Amino acid sequence: KAGVTQTPRYLIKTRGQQVTLSCSPISGHRSVSWYQQTPGQGLQFLFEYFSETQRNKGNFPGRFSGRQFSNSRSEMNVSTLELGDSALYLCASNPTGINTEAFFGQGTRLTVV
Amino acid sequence: GQNIDQPTEMTATEGAIVQINCTYQTSGFNGLFWYQQHAGEAPTFLSYNVLDGLEEKGRFSSFLSRSKGYSYLLLKELQMKDSASYLCAVRGTTNFGNEKLTFGTGTRLTIIP
Repeated sequence: KAGVTQTPRYLIKTRGQQVTLSCSPISGHRSVSWYQQTPGQGLQFLFEYFSETQRNKGNFPGRFSGRQFSNSRSEMNVSTLELGDSALYLCASNPTGINTEAFFGQGTRLTVV
Repeated sequence: GQNIDQPTEMTATEGAIVQINCTYQTSGFNGLFWYQQHAGEAPTFLSYNVLDGLEEKGRFSSFLSRSKGYSYLLLKELQMKDSASYLCAVRGTTNFGNEKLTFGTGTRLTIIP
């Protein structure tokens, strides 16, 4: 059974640009959550999608958005990138929601220069 | 809001026992998770507690006291491969009634021979 797949693994962008990250959950899992991980702040919840609808949302500005497709694959978009957006972005897949065990992907390491 | 505290770093000896504490403050508590994360890798699920008491799983055990807002992860018969960060995460309710999973910043555990 394939795990959670995130692409790309590494990304370098310039301030002001936008970026789209992709996450393919484990087959059969309908919930996808996104997290930002930085050394100082740890893992911070961005949002959760379930059946193509955003079901839960963290405290991030509107520059961070996402969507989920009918096959449960999810994308996260960050517009007008800032240096502080440099982080590891992790996607987690759950069978039904964040109240169950989460399976994490390897993450996308985003560097904003 | 939600707040989670856990020690930043701990060191223990191979073969010994170590206890990693986690205290939390949250509204609408609905479960506590422990994850292990090796450097450069994705977090992996270790345990889940929603009721008071001890959950044992092999060399790892997790305890929860909801009245005290307290949990610990107990690792026995420590092995060098247990050197990793251990993340405490709490499921609670946001001000808007949504569910949110909040992670602590993690405890970096180093096992020495």
